[in-house]
Amino acid sequence: AQSVTQPDIHITVSEGASLELRCNYSYGATPYLFWYVQSPGQGLQLLLKYFSGDTLVQGIKGFEAEFKRSQSSFNLRKPSVHWSDAAEYFCAVGFSKSGNTPLVFGKGTRLSVIA
Amino acid sequence: DGGITQSPKYLFRKEGQNVTLSCEQNLNHDAMYWYRQDPGQGLRLIYYSQIVNDFQKGDIAEGYSVSREKKESFPLTVTSAQKNPTAFYLCASRGQGYEKLFFGSGTQLSVL
Repeated sequence: AQSVTQPDIHITVSEGASLELRCNYSYGATPYLFWYVQSPGQGLQLLLKYFSGDTLVQGIKGFEAEFKRSQSSFNLRKPSVHWSDAAEYFCAVGFSKSGNTPLVFGKGTRLSVIA
Repeated sequence: DGGITQSPKYLFRKEGQNVTLSCEQNLNHDAMYWYRQDPGQGLRLIYYSQIVNDFQKGDIAEGYSVSREKKESFPLTVTSAQKNPTAFYLCASRGQGYEKLFFGSGTQLSVL
């Protein structure tokens, strides 16, 4: 079955430190990969996406993610975290080229930032 | 301003009562979705609609119903059969391709 796993439920980092949030998927082919961010009580905002090509993709707010086919992973990174990055982050995968099948979301990773 | 509007922001349900959550979009999107969000559970798909007058069950449709009579609107009814309705509900609409998926700001439903 197609699935998305975010192994870390909650991560705490110091402001200015680097960040890596993990995402693994289970699927026979390369899916379409996404990272979203959610502030408390709000909807989700797209950070970045990977469809094909360069496996390192850049997104908004200084985030990047790297697709590794051999590890079925799409980890999100940021070199220096700001207090405003505290939020919940969701990895999502899509399985049809047309986008007609709904995205499947991971359970999320809550990021806390300390001074 | 184009976007997705969910209302109300907060909703309370009494035992045995049906409640309806509103979702309206002016993005001219064909596809619309309802997700349920519980702490630590991520987003779980309730129903989705690819076109007016058609919709499909998602992973957790039991206790919910929807309609899609207009392109702009996709209301979700939480029926009395849903025994654990307290959750944050997110509506989304999608244009062409996954990257055109946009979310509303959600409705928090609580049981009195």
